[in-house]
Amino acid sequence: KQEVTQIPAALSVPEGENLVLNCSFTDSAIYNLQWFRQDPGKGLTSLLLIQSSQREQTSGRLNASLDKSSGRSTLYIAASQPGDSATYLCAVRKTSYDKVIFGPGTSLSVIP
Amino acid sequence: DGGITQSPKYLFRKEGQNVTLSCEQNLNHDAMYWYRQDPGQGLRLIYYSQIVNDFQKGDIAEGYSVSREKKESFPLTVTSAQKNPTAFYLCASSIGFAGVLSYNEQFFGPGTRLTVL
Repeated sequence: KQEVTQIPAALSVPEGENLVLNCSFTDSAIYNLQWFRQDPGKGLTSLLLIQSSQREQTSGRLNASLDKSSGRSTLYIAASQPGDSATYLCAVRKTSYDKVIFGPGTSLSVIP
Repeated sequence: DGGITQSPKYLFRKEGQNVTLSCEQNLNHDAMYWYRQDPGQGLRLIYYSQIVNDFQKGDIAEGYSVSREKKESFPLTVTSAQKNPTAFYLCASSIGFAGVLSYNEQFFGPGTRLTVL
């Protein structure tokens, strides 16, 4: 059974710092991995989606990498801003026909 | 203005009462999903629907029911059989449930917070 974990559960950094959020999954046979952002009391917004054949995806200050063999993905945020404060969730899908399995999220606070 | 809407934003339920959460999408997506989110836990799938007039149980379907009579609507009923319904409920949709990558990327509504009094 696929399990997704995210460490740390919470992170607080000063503005301007580069940071890395971690996502681990127990079954390396995945179809894709997706990173989401969730603001307090709101729905999820998709940030990046990585296919199993890809190693990374980039969007603006965000870069997500995927290492299937080790069951890990990282979300790199460059030059963090207070507006980046939110909970970041990763989610994996085993095959194109499977449900998405979500991690518990990392709550990020960027201090001005 | 395309997207997914959920109503109400906040909902209060008394013991023994059934309540229905609304989810509507105008994205012309075939697949729709209901998730439950509890503090410190990932989203858990309650029910999903791949196409109109079809739906499947997810991981935590007990105490919940759904219908999919129209493509754009996927209401969730929380019944009195659900013993711990206080949570944040999220609805999502995707072009399709399976197939090519672009088909199964999920888009989420703003959520409904349900509290049992």
